[in-house]
Amino acid sequence: NAGVMQNPRHLVRRRGQEARLRCSPMKGHSHVYWYRQLPEEGLKFMVYLQKENIIDESGMPKERFSAEFPKEGPSILRIQQVVRGDSAAYFCASSPQRSQETQYFGPGTRLLVL
Amino acid sequence: GESVGLHLPTLSVQEGDNSIINCAYSNSASAYFIWYKQESGKGPQFIIDIRSNMDKRQGQRVTVLLNKTVKHLSLQIAATQPGDSAVYFCAENYDGGFKTIFGAGTRLFVKA
Repeated sequence: NAGVMQNPRHLVRRRGQEARLRCSPMKGHSHVYWYRQLPEEGLKFMVYLQKENIIDESGMPKERFSAEFPKEGPSILRIQQVVRGDSAAYFCASSPQRSQETQYFGPGTRLLVL
Repeated sequence: GESVGLHLPTLSVQEGDNSIINCAYSNSASAYFIWYKQESGKGPQFIIDIRSNMDKRQGQRVTVLLNKTVKHLSLQIAATQPGDSAVYFCAENYDGGFKTIFGAGTRLFVKA
């Protein structure tokens, strides 16, 4: 049973470009969470999605950031017109049930904006 | 506001000794707590969890203690090994909430 998969593992973008991060949850999991982690800091919640629905996006910046989890395919975190401050590690987690169930994390995507 | 914080940013222990990593939380309504281990370049890995109706829970070489009176959480690692070197995060989840709030983490160094 494969774990949470994320790709790419490393992504380099120039300012103004778009970054697209993908997350495939564990088999049987229908809940996906995205987190951002700056160096030497904890994880900051961004968004919680179920299939075709955004449940909670209170942690996501209002502009340039969007997320989706389509009926088929991986969850996508999209960052438009990236700036240097977007450089961070972005982790995806999944769980079979919401709320108090344990979240299983992927290996992360490290985004570097030049 | 709600927050999860850690007392010590760095902990250094001798191999074979026991490690204790502490965490303070501020939301008395939190019902579920989790400890994660994050090794360099990897995602957080679940270690152990505890619900607010418990005071103690044991796993393999790890024990989590919850003191709701002072809103304190600790992770005890017995016979610490070099492979335990990592950053440890405590996290809290509010009852009925969808978010897991992470603390800043404690970096554990194990000296051989």
